[in-house]
Amino acid sequence: AQSVSQHNHHVILSEAASLELGCNYSYGGTVNLFWYVQYPGQHLQLLLKYFSGDPLVKGIKGFEAEFIKSKFSFNLRKPSVQWSDTAEYFCAVKDTDKLIFGTGTRLQVFP
Amino acid sequence: DADVTQTPRNRITKTGKRIMLECSQTKGHDRMYWYRQDPGLGLRLIYYSFDVKDINKGEISDGYSVSRQAQAKFSLSLESAIPNQTALYFCATSDLGNTDTQYFGPGTRLTVL
Repeated sequence: AQSVSQHNHHVILSEAASLELGCNYSYGGTVNLFWYVQYPGQHLQLLLKYFSGDPLVKGIKGFEAEFIKSKFSFNLRKPSVQWSDTAEYFCAVKDTDKLIFGTGTRLQVFP
Repeated sequence: DADVTQTPRNRITKTGKRIMLECSQTKGHDRMYWYRQDPGLGLRLIYYSFDVKDINKGEISDGYSVSRQAQAKFSLSLESAIPNQTALYFCATSDLGNTDTQYFGPGTRLTVL
């Protein structure tokens, strides 16, 4: 079965810094990949998803992610973070009928 | 997402009590899921259902049961709650016809004393 690794458990940045959160999945073939965000006290919201086509996927709020098949990776990026990006970020991969989530990365952005 | 609702939003109960968490959706999706979220562990799948007559165990189904009363309703029960079931529980829905992307409810915070 698939598994997902998020190696950054807690990231602290200042506003305007660039962000990259790592996500690796365990095996190849056709993969469907997702990034979800959970703002404090809220439910998970979809940031972006990759199913096929252009490996550079753009999502909401200026986020993007790049699918690199050779590295089994789907890292999330944002060139300039804002205080409002403070949240927990989850990478997920679709495994047959189910989503397998990573353990999450907590991002804190300070003004 | 207002299209997926969960009740109650918060619940405190005692060990041994039976608890039911309810999920309703107005998105018209066939697929529904129950997850629990624990700090440092991410989200883990408890049960999922692809239609009213289809129920499947997820990664951590022990101690839980579910009921799919209708396409729009999916309930999670803890028959005899224990403290390590203290967690945040999320319901989600998806539509296979729309890339099967999952949409989450607001969550239920359950505390078992």
